[in-house]
Order: sequence, then structure tokens, then C-alpha cells
Amino acid sequence: QSALSQPASVSGSPGQSITFSCTGTSSDIGTYNYVSWYQQHPGKVPKLMIYDVNERPSGVSNRFSGSKSGNTASLTISGLQAEDEADYYCSAYTITSTLIFGGGTRLTVL
Amino acid sequence: QVQLVESGGGLVKPGGSLRLSCAASGFIFDDHFMSWVRQAPGKGLEWVSYIVSGGSDMYYADSVKGRFLISRDNAKNALYLHMKNLRAEDSAVYFCARLSGSGSFSYFHFDSWGQGALVTVSS
Repeated sequence: QSALSQPASVSGSPGQSITFSCTGTSSDIGTYNYVSWYQQHPGKVPKLMIYDVNERPSGVSNRFSGSKSGNTASLTISGLQAEDEADYYCSAYTITSTLIFGGGTRLTVL
Repeated sequence: QVQLVESGGGLVKPGGSLRLSCAASGFIFDDHFMSWVRQAPGKGLEWVSYIVSGGSDMYYADSVKGRFLISRDNAKNALYLHMKNLRAEDSAVYFCARLSGSGSFSYFHFDSWGQGALVTVSS
């Protein structure tokens, strides 16, 4: 059960688009579309941003979008805003019926 | 609205035991798989365990298998995590989280979270 692989940090300027990667294996991301993304501000509870690879819960800005290719999932934030600065985690379902998170990516808005 | 409230956290010595509880309200509890997720101080999220809606099947992360037991009482709308043989590396905030879905099916994403309960394992 190794964690999904995410870059430790990314940064961008307001208004830019930024993409986070989440790399798994054929045992998780590569097999199922149960890939989700969570935003967590410091000291706060994680918030669901994307589920089933590219579905947005109601209330989440359409600036957030998701995709998947092979064993890698991606989260894109367009029109970056200061309030987007947070930690982002991906999660996936695995062939052993377990769940797994990525190590998280810290987004800094310059 | 969905509410998940954890309790039972605290300081425990290495090798000790603790039981976390999660009181659920605002939704049909026995219609959802439920899960525990933890976050060590300054670290990322780690999935710990989940239990299916009826309580018949449970799944665990390798790091806790054999030491932690997840259970639920659907009559009380409550989720539990029984932890034994605790180690320093189990120190974390433990979140109770609802998995999306209905009945015997889950979409395996966490759509609601509690505020968390802090567990500290230290002598």
C-alpha cells in the first residue's frame, strides 16, 4: 500500500492555470475511476473538490477540473485565486478494496 | 445537514488502547459506508479503515491491520475505532468520514468529514 505520488509543492500567480499530478499504478488509478481530490486549508477539515476523476460536487467552483490518463490523475485549477492556496490530496480505490491517498501537494499562490 | 462528531481522543502510553467514537446525524446512517482517516501533525492524510453500510465487512490499511478494529452501531448512528497496541507513529488527528453511495454500493470518495479527534501516543 504505497501512497500515490504527488509533487510536494507547486506555485502559480493569480489568474494562471495550474495542474497537479497524482501517479498511481495499475492496481488503483489505472483500474478504477474512483479518483477524488481534496483541498485542505491549514487547521481545517479536508473538502471534496473532485470525485470520479472529473465530477464536481455542487458548490465547487468550475475553475476546478479533473482528468486521468493511464495510471496518472490530474487536477487543474484555472484562474488561480489567493483563496486556492492550500494543500491538495488525491485519493483512489484499489484492487484490494482499500483506499489510498497521495502525499499531498502544497499550492502557493505568488 | 450532515454532522459527524468524533470523541474519545487523548493521551495514551505506547502499547495502550483507546476507542474513538463518531456520532452521525443529518443523514440515513445505515445507507453509507463509513471510514476513518488520520493525519499526523504536519503530515498528509492517511486512510485507516472503512466499514460497509451493514457492518459485515471491514477493510484496513496495512499500517493498522491486526491492531485496529472498526465497528458501527446503526441503531445508534455511531461509528467506532478500537485501537490497541498503540505506537508513537499512530499519533494523529483521526477524522470520521462518510463515503458516498447508497446501501451496498459506494463511490469511494469522502463527501463529509468530522472535525477530528487528536490521539497522542507518548510515554
